[in-house]
Amino acid sequence: ETGVTQSPTHLIKTRGQQVTLRCSSQSGHNTVSWYQQALGQGPQFIFQYYREEENGRGNFPPRFSGLQFPNYSSELNVNALELDDSALYLCASSFGGQGMRGYTFGSGTRLTVV
Amino acid sequence: KQEVTQIPAALSVPEGENLVLNCSFTDSAIYNLQWFRQDPGKGLTSLLLIQSSQREQTSGRLNASLDKSSGRSTLYIAASQPGDSATYLCAVENTGGFKTIFGAGTRLFVKA
Repeated sequence: ETGVTQSPTHLIKTRGQQVTLRCSSQSGHNTVSWYQQALGQGPQFIFQYYREEENGRGNFPPRFSGLQFPNYSSELNVNALELDDSALYLCASSFGGQGMRGYTFGSGTRLTVV
Repeated sequence: KQEVTQIPAALSVPEGENLVLNCSFTDSAIYNLQWFRQDPGKGLTSLLLIQSSQREQTSGRLNASLDKSSGRSTLYIAASQPGDSATYLCAVENTGGFKTIFGAGTRLFVKA
């Protein structure tokens, strides 16, 4: 049984650019949730995908968007990057479109915007 | 609006000490509360999940309690070890939704 894999592990982008982060969910899971964790803070909920549909969204602007594929892997896209987007981006997979019960987290992607 | 606060923000203790981490939340209408561990630059590992109908959960040297009426949870770590050094995060999931609210965490350092 494989865990949650995120790629890339580290990324440096310039302000104004676009970035795509990827997450492979754990085998048997059909739900992926994305979180942004700024340095010294707790993770903040961005959105959740369940069966390829957005199943809920936190207080993030539309330039944060996502996709979920038929194999339940997911992408997080961020357009027009800002310096404050620098953070650790975490994805968590689970089953059933529910909340954090049964979450398995990936190790994250560290995004630095310069 | 649900807010989660964790006290203390950082804690340094000698090996072998028993310790308590605190978590408070403002809205008692929670579905469940979960404690996570995070090692530097890494993802989160679930430690204990307490459903709203439960008062506590135990796993090995860890015990978590929940008091919904007062909006508080504690994580008790017995006989701390250097390997326990990490950031401990508390998260609540509100009823009627799946949005999870995290506290900022307590950074624990256990000295050998």
